[in-house]
Amino acid sequence: SQELEQSPQSLIVQEGKNLTINCTSSKTLYGLYWYKQKYGEGLIFLMMLQKGGEEKSHEKITAKLDEKKQQSSLHITASQPSHAGIYLCGAANFNKFYFGSGTKLNVKP
Amino acid sequence: GAVVSQHPSWVICKSGTSVKIECRSLDFQATTMFWYRQFPKQSLMLMATSNEGSKATYEQGVEKDKFLINHASLTLSTLTVTSAHPEDSSFYICKTSVYNEQFFGPGTRLTVL
Repeated sequence: SQELEQSPQSLIVQEGKNLTINCTSSKTLYGLYWYKQKYGEGLIFLMMLQKGGEEKSHEKITAKLDEKKQQSSLHITASQPSHAGIYLCGAANFNKFYFGSGTKLNVKP
Repeated sequence: GAVVSQHPSWVICKSGTSVKIECRSLDFQATTMFWYRQFPKQSLMLMATSNEGSKATYEQGVEKDKFLINHASLTLSTLTVTSAHPEDSSFYICKTSVYNEQFFGPGTRLTVL
């Protein structure tokens, strides 16, 4: 099965600070997805990356997929309390879809 | 875009009872549906894959007799938690995909007393 390791597991930052979350795969990624969630609630799709070296941005969130397609990073610029939640990376492997271990983000006002 | 609904959104039941969770694709046909569960402070773990008209395949460690999955039509997949116990309390979510797009249900929060 696809193993996706996220780091850090949890993160507390002061409002306005930048932060980065990493997602590392044990296998080559052919599609890497980023989601935001609060436990017990649905998933909010953030971005999907497919090509090595690809980078996408939406508002203050930027995601990158490395050239080897085994690692992705999610960067939040000037964090706000509304960014708080659980961030999950996900990837498809042989018609199954697996999630990373998750990163819990708290943003202190 | 495609929409997936789940029902109920939350349920509380007594230990020993069975609970059925429905997952519907509202405007498209879902040949394959995936079921996940999420315990507090943990990520989403794939439980099983259901294909319309055939038996579901379960991930290692998931009891197929306890988590019954039925995918009788292209728009409906159900997950039944049989003889639920407090340790089954979790957030259950279904997912399907169309090409590279992933469509998730809103999830069902199950609490077993």
